[in-house]
Amino acid sequence: QQPVQSPQAVILREGEDAVINCSSSKALYSVHWYRQKHGEAPVFLMILLKGGEQKGHDKISASFNEKKQQSSLYLTASQLSYSGTYFCGTEEGTGGFKTIFGAGTRLFVKA
Amino acid sequence: DTEVTQTPKHLVMGMTNKKSLKCEQHMGHRAMYWYKQKAKKPPELMFVYSYEKLSINESVPSRFSPECPNSSLLNLHLHALQPEDSALYLCASSLSLLLSPLHFGNGTRLTVT
Repeated sequence: QQPVQSPQAVILREGEDAVINCSSSKALYSVHWYRQKHGEAPVFLMILLKGGEQKGHDKISASFNEKKQQSSLYLTASQLSYSGTYFCGTEEGTGGFKTIFGAGTRLFVKA
Repeated sequence: DTEVTQTPKHLVMGMTNKKSLKCEQHMGHRAMYWYKQKAKKPPELMFVYSYEKLSINESVPSRFSPECPNSSLLNLHLHALQPEDSALYLCASSLSLLLSPLHFGNGTRLTVT
């Protein structure tokens, strides 16, 4: 079942922060986050494997609330290079082990 | 640079043609995937292979036929496609089937005329 992402789009100025949310109605094994720039392949950012886990990568971090089956991606002090579409991918384990992507959040950072 | 290589980068084919998309990885990954992506949409899972065996077929029409000749190669054979099949076809691999990041190739941009 496709996870639900919000917001659909975000426009930021350089240096501003943003939060992207991802939720599922199913119990999850993991949540993945990917960024895809226009005309390029999705690039893996991080994976959260258990409830309450938080991970960070430079100024991008994420958390996973297992009880609520929700994950959030935090982008702090955004840079122009952060522009792109962010997808969360969830692994449920029902119907086979597979990663299903949310609809995506389009992020645009302007100078 | 991507470690998953897809060829060709672009493909234009008629509805009566037969063509194949190829994907190769040398990272020792044991799971490989085909995703289809339409403009402004997320990647949509088509097939999953694990240890060279088909693990998941997401009810994909038979005009798409996957093949995994060995642990490094994944093919997608195309026959009698429809214009609505035009899309970006992404190959991905992961170390294992569960709890592993997906590494995507740059995709094949397919146009069906």
